[in-house]
Amino acid sequence: KAGVTQTPRYLIKTRGQQVTLSCSPISGHRSVSWYQQTPGQGLQFLFEYFSETQRNKGNFPGRFSGRQFSNSRSEMNVSTLELGDSALYLCASSLRVATPNYGYTFGSGTRLTVV
Amino acid sequence: DQQVKQNSPSLSVQEGRISILNCDYTNSMFDYFLWYKKYPAEGPTFLISISSIKDKNEDGRFTVFLNKSAKHLSLHIVPSQPGDSAVYFCAANWDQGGKLIFGQGTELSVKP
Repeated sequence: KAGVTQTPRYLIKTRGQQVTLSCSPISGHRSVSWYQQTPGQGLQFLFEYFSETQRNKGNFPGRFSGRQFSNSRSEMNVSTLELGDSALYLCASSLRVATPNYGYTFGSGTRLTVV
Repeated sequence: DQQVKQNSPSLSVQEGRISILNCDYTNSMFDYFLWYKKYPAEGPTFLISISSIKDKNEDGRFTVFLNKSAKHLSLHIVPSQPGDSAVYFCAANWDQGGKLIFGQGTELSVKP
């Protein structure tokens, strides 16, 4: 059974550019969440999608956006990149909302470096 | 405002002994708590969870204890093995959705 797939694994961008990251959840999973991991802030919630609808949003500026497609694949976009956006971006999927006891399955992440 | 705190950034334990990782929280609305294990360059892996209506959940070598009055939970690993060496995160959830609030993590080192 394929896990959560995130592409690309590594990315280097210049300040001011924009970037799109992709996440393919486990087959049958309809809930996708995104997290940012940095050494200083730890793992922070970005957003959550379920059935193409954003269900929850973290405390990030509007430069961070996302969407989910009908096949449950999700993308997140960061515009006008800043140096502080350098982080590991993690995607997690779950069968459905309201299943915290199952735990969410995380992908290996996309390492974004902004120079 | 750090709602979930892991005050020990690192812990070193001898193989075969017990590892105890601690986590404190401030939000009494949390109704599920989870522990994740993370290796470098990989995503977190779910280990074990506990509902706020329970005080203990056990899965093999892993046991999570919840003390609601103290707003404290702990993960016990018995016996500890070198392969358990990783960063452990506790996380909390309150709206049964996908928003998890993570602690800062504790790096466990199990020495042979």
